[in-house]
Amino acid sequence: DAKTTQPTSMDCAEGRAANLPCNHSTISGNEYVYWYRQIHSQGPQYIIHGLKNNETNEMASLIITEDRKSSTLILPHATLRDTAVYYCIVRVSFGNEKLTFGTGTRLTIIP
Amino acid sequence: DAGVIQSPRHEVTEMGQEVTLRCKPISGHNSLFWYRQTMMRGLELLIYFNNNVPIDDSGMPEDRFSAKMPNASFSTLKIQPSEPRDSAVYFCASRPEVQTYGYTFGSGTRLTVV
Repeated sequence: DAKTTQPTSMDCAEGRAANLPCNHSTISGNEYVYWYRQIHSQGPQYIIHGLKNNETNEMASLIITEDRKSSTLILPHATLRDTAVYYCIVRVSFGNEKLTFGTGTRLTIIP
Repeated sequence: DAGVIQSPRHEVTEMGQEVTLRCKPISGHNSLFWYRQTMMRGLELLIYFNNNVPIDDSGMPEDRFSAKMPNASFSTLKIQPSEPRDSAVYFCASRPEVQTYGYTFGSGTRLTVV
């Protein structure tokens, strides 16, 4: 699976949009971009995934650049409960079940 | 749905003792994963099952670790004998048949070996 690069930490004011970047310059055509988060002392939580089109669900939006070498997870109105470590993961859709977690971005929402 | 259920939530045991961690995946999910999380190594995949069959156990650290999935609704991860370096949070996750779906993780078992 392609390697990802994320900032170690970020802060965001409560109520503002949190934009979390991820670089995956070696991504292959059949690899999806997944985002998970882990709130302290809990199991990781799936947020969203995409292949090449932008995606939106009730939790977040995922913007993938046209060349697919980077993506941004957007939390539109961050709350204190969004404080967590966010993981960007690239994985093929079939054949390799391994979901490999990196070190992620520690997002802190500031009141 | 109650989600992925793991037990116990916390386990403290003495070095050399056998430890068994349990997981009940979400009904209808046909893939199950065991992860371990430590401060030093982060989240590591230990083993995963598809339709109750172990597919990849390359992440299992050594022979002291074993995992079974006797049926679609239950899996165990056993450590025998346990060592202090096995202290970690162990997570179980499951996923439905559609491989692009996200995983659902349990709340984890915090294991402390003294």
